[in-house]
Amino acid sequence: AQKVTQAQTEISVVEKEDVTLDCVYETRDTTYYLFWYKQPPSGELVFLIRRNSFDEQNEISGRYSWNFQKSTSSFNFTITASQVVDSAVYFCALAEWGYSTLTFGKGTMLLVSP
Amino acid sequence: KAGVTQTPRYLIKTRGQQVTLSCSPISGHRSVSWYQQTPGQGLQFLFEYFSETQRNKGNFPGRFSGRQFSNSRSEMNVSTLELGDSALYLCASSSGTGRNTEAFFGQGTRLTVV
Repeated sequence: AQKVTQAQTEISVVEKEDVTLDCVYETRDTTYYLFWYKQPPSGELVFLIRRNSFDEQNEISGRYSWNFQKSTSSFNFTITASQVVDSAVYFCALAEWGYSTLTFGKGTMLLVSP
Repeated sequence: KAGVTQTPRYLIKTRGQQVTLSCSPISGHRSVSWYQQTPGQGLQFLFEYFSETQRNKGNFPGRFSGRQFSNSRSEMNVSTLELGDSALYLCASSSGTGRNTEAFFGQGTRLTVV
């Protein structure tokens, strides 16, 4: 069975601080997808990134970066120079290769104060 | 390109009633998945439809059902509502084929059962 663990329930930072959201996953599949989604108060889940299990290259997109380490089954997400608009709940998710069904972690609520 | 549209946005129902929620996916997407989000259980997969066929199903009772039409629009139905069915119901749209399995979510329908 697949499982995603986000151990951090809530993180509070002050604007401009860097923050890392942890994600650890379990799967028996050798190939799979990993995702991060952002859920602002409006409720919609906003897609941030997808990573294939065979591609361990780290990725940077503006202030966002992702560190995928297959050896430790982790897919961590870092926001550099956080902003108040980054305040949201962030979900890490896992999907089998070729399928759309997502297994989500419980989410990490990020609060960025001015 | 229009996003995923869910209607209605809010619903209040009484225990024992039934309810139907609607989801219109992104144009060209053939897969629609439904998720239930509650504070206690987090995001849980209900079912996925692809080309009018249920392709995958989560661990929910038979009171939860769905269908997909030839234009890929999907409905989910919950019969004999219980207080515990109060949740945010999210619909996700994806191409559903090949390796392109990013799921894009609607804003959800918030169901309150009283």
